[in-house]
Amino acid sequence: ETGVTQTPRHLVMGMTNKKSLKCEQHLGHNAMYWYKQSAKKPLELMFVYNFKEQTENNSVPSRFSPECPNSSHLFLHLHTLQPEDSALYLCASSQDFRVSEPSALHFGNGTRLTVT
Amino acid sequence: LAKTTQPISMDSYEGQEVNITCSHNNIATNDYITWYQQFPSQGPRFIIQGYKTKVTNEVASLFIPADRKSSTLSLPRVSLSDTAVYYCLVGGRSYIPTFGRGTSLIVHP
Repeated sequence: ETGVTQTPRHLVMGMTNKKSLKCEQHLGHNAMYWYKQSAKKPLELMFVYNFKEQTENNSVPSRFSPECPNSSHLFLHLHTLQPEDSALYLCASSQDFRVSEPSALHFGNGTRLTVT
Repeated sequence: LAKTTQPISMDSYEGQEVNITCSHNNIATNDYITWYQQFPSQGPRFIIQGYKTKVTNEVASLFIPADRKSSTLSLPRVSLSDTAVYYCLVGGRSYIPTFGRGTSLIVHP
């Protein structure tokens, strides 16, 4: 148990569908992140929120839309995805990353997304 | 942002000590060195973090020489369950963790 829960664990969706990924943490952290990990590739940072404010958008296509209603919850809304968007989507949380030393990331176990 | 270089893969056998070295020649004064472990289809897990000299916890040790241009993650007496990808990250204040390809460690019986 990592303290970060992601649902669903697996998701299959068509290119015209709309779905959402959910992430929840009860670690008292203030920063939350979305990463994408495609097969045989490094983790790619997608979005960062710090105290509910988006601080990083790593040139992610608009078909991915994040939402952070509070410091404990993070969503990734998906619409009109492409097959190449199939990947493991990982959520992480940490303390405020503006402190003097890096705060350890706590990851969930991800959502395995398949776009057909 | 300090660039890191680590071996793509390593092989070991159960019971051996494994040392994975990471090079970070342009590490900044305020940067820390952090290591993560990732098993297939799971998120990375924090292992250890250090600034200088040596840090040890129940899982691993981290050796950092005086010039801090490299660091070595040491895993004592590995088992099959230590087969994973290990990532070395370097950064300091306001650092957004960026992962490279890591080192794929395979432990053989």
